[in-house]
Amino acid sequence: AQTVTQSQPEMSVQEAETVTLSCTYDTSESNYYLFWYKQPPSRQMILVIRQEAYKQQNATENRFSVNFQKAAKSFSLKISDSQLGDTAMYFCAFMMLGNKLVFGAGTILRVKS
Amino acid sequence: GAVVSQHPSRVICKSGTSVKIECRSLDFQATTMFWYRQFPKKSLMLMATSNEGSKATYEQGVEKDKFLINHASLTLSTLTVTSAHPEDSSFYICSARPIAGGRTDTQYFGPGTRLTVL
Repeated sequence: AQTVTQSQPEMSVQEAETVTLSCTYDTSESNYYLFWYKQPPSRQMILVIRQEAYKQQNATENRFSVNFQKAAKSFSLKISDSQLGDTAMYFCAFMMLGNKLVFGAGTILRVKS
Repeated sequence: GAVVSQHPSRVICKSGTSVKIECRSLDFQATTMFWYRQFPKKSLMLMATSNEGSKATYEQGVEKDKFLINHASLTLSTLTVTSAHPEDSSFYICSARPIAGGRTDTQYFGPGTRLTVL
């Protein structure tokens, strides 16, 4: 069974600085998808970024980018120019095509002014 | 695009009563929807996968007779908590995966429903 590990329960960062959230996963499959979801205090789950495993290029979405290391089974999220609105719980998730999401335990990120 | 709604957003009920939660995909169709339960500051726990026109698939340990799921159309799935008890109090979240016209490999989430059983 696939597992997703987020080793940082909580992190904090100063406004305008850069922070990296870690995620590792375990699978024997070669085709899959990886996601980062954000859950702010409103508790609405918001898709931040997605990565197809067959693509070597790291996905980026504005201030959010990932470092996808397939061999190491690592999928970290970098947030640049952190903003107060980035304060949220961040979940890393793994999915095989047509299958269910497997979530990590989450990382609470606090952006300080 | 890819908006999912849930109704109600918050519900309080008495022990022993049943509560129905609706999950709708507003701008796309979904043959598959998912129901999750989440405790404060914890990850999402998948309860069941809802399939349009067929029976839901429940995760191990989830009572299918207690958590009834109906997926009657390509835009609506419902979760009914039957004979609710205080231990069923939780935050319930649904998600939907588009058939087409969007990212069919991505789940989009509703805003959640907070259930409190007195």
